[in-house]
Amino acid sequence: NAGVTQTPKFQVLKTGQSMTLQCAQDMNHEYMSWYRQDPGMGLRLIHYSVGAGITDQGEVPNGYNVSRSTTEDFPLRLLSAAPSQTSVYFCASRTRGVGTEAFFGQGTRLTVV
Amino acid sequence: AQTVTQSQPEMSVQEAETVTLSCTYDTSESDYYLFWYKQPPSRQMILVIRQEAYKQQNATENRFSVNFQKAAKSFSLKISDSQLGDAAMYFCAYRNTLEYGNKLVFGAGTILRVKS
Repeated sequence: NAGVTQTPKFQVLKTGQSMTLQCAQDMNHEYMSWYRQDPGMGLRLIHYSVGAGITDQGEVPNGYNVSRSTTEDFPLRLLSAAPSQTSVYFCASRTRGVGTEAFFGQGTRLTVV
Repeated sequence: AQTVTQSQPEMSVQEAETVTLSCTYDTSESDYYLFWYKQPPSRQMILVIRQEAYKQQNATENRFSVNFQKAAKSFSLKISDSQLGDAAMYFCAYRNTLEYGNKLVFGAGTILRVKS
């Protein structure tokens, strides 16, 4: 059982470059989310999706785009990378229901120079 | 907007001893869920325990238990018989049952160090 798979695990970008962080889950979960983790700030929600074709903004959406064309995949696009986007990014998925457990990927450490 | 506060950036505990991590939250809602997640050095986020606000009984999972004080908006995690494998960052998180998307709101985290 793969669970939630994020690729790549590490990435270095130059300022202004674009890239896509991949997230795939094999648990048929309706809900998927992207978070960024920064020291002293915990995890903050970037974008989330409650099903294929439905996405919405979280707390810190600026500079990021998402789409959800299938239940399994939820890629996060950095349009023009900035040093402020240096962070660890986590993708999570869960079933519908308010008490359900969120399953997280292993994270992507992104450095923008 | 709901907020979650973890006031202890770092805590230390001796192996086999008990430690309590603090968490407070701010909400005007009456029904919600609270969670504790563990993040070891591997970076993997692992659910430790969850509590529904309408349940008065404190949740327990083996050596992990919570002290849920709804009126005080407090949700502390007690780890008994601490083990070296408990060393990690611990995050407290809140989820509103009524909000669209039922998003998780995290605290800043507490680093737990376990001494042998």
